[in-house]
Amino acid sequence: RKEVEQDPGPFNVPEGATVAFNCTYSNSASQSFFWYRQDCRKEPKLLMSVYSSGNEDGRFTAQLNRASQYISLLIRDSKLSDSATYLCVVNPSNFNKFYFGSGTKLNVKP
Amino acid sequence: DVKVTQSSRYLVKRTGEKVFLECVQDMDHENMFWYRQDPGLGLRLIYFSYDVKMKEKGDIPEGYSVSREKKERFSLILESASTNQTSMYLCASSLSFWVSTYEQYFGPGTRLTVT
Repeated sequence: RKEVEQDPGPFNVPEGATVAFNCTYSNSASQSFFWYRQDCRKEPKLLMSVYSSGNEDGRFTAQLNRASQYISLLIRDSKLSDSATYLCVVNPSNFNKFYFGSGTKLNVKP
Repeated sequence: DVKVTQSSRYLVKRTGEKVFLECVQDMDHENMFWYRQDPGLGLRLIYFSYDVKMKEKGDIPEGYSVSREKKERFSLILESASTNQTSMYLCASSLSFWVSTYEQYFGPGTRLTVT
């Protein structure tokens, strides 16, 4: 079983739409959670960390559900520039070693 | 700005060749990582290093070795390249291995093709 699983998509949404991705993880003792963004042919970059209480950064909201072992990313008022692949990242320990999901592709269309 | 650079963006090698991939970071980070990224499989950790001359195997170390002689430089070596090592290779660095909340910074990647 994979450590981290994501729906590969693609999610095709119009500009202005709200879209949500989920990601499940297998290790119930996981410590840290992140969403990274990867543009086509580019390297991954941190979008946001995910905290137990949930957190928001502008149009982006991340949630953690430890009971069901998933994290989510909600994007409101989608922009064309949000088109990218979103990687769910989980750290199963206290060390700086991560497991990456295979990514969810988002296409925002005019 | 943290900068992680990789020696080549694209590389084509023949089966059996020895291949060196170089990575340099300029932020005095303790940790450095090598991943490969394949469609549908995500990023998989090959090796990481949390200090000079220290190295630890990741999840898929077979067929690879690494070298970290200086803090800023982490090299990935394919001793005898094979076609199943055709992939995108990404180097990353982060501040400290002992804290799980630190961001990883990635280099631009090297797309290696082994023919």
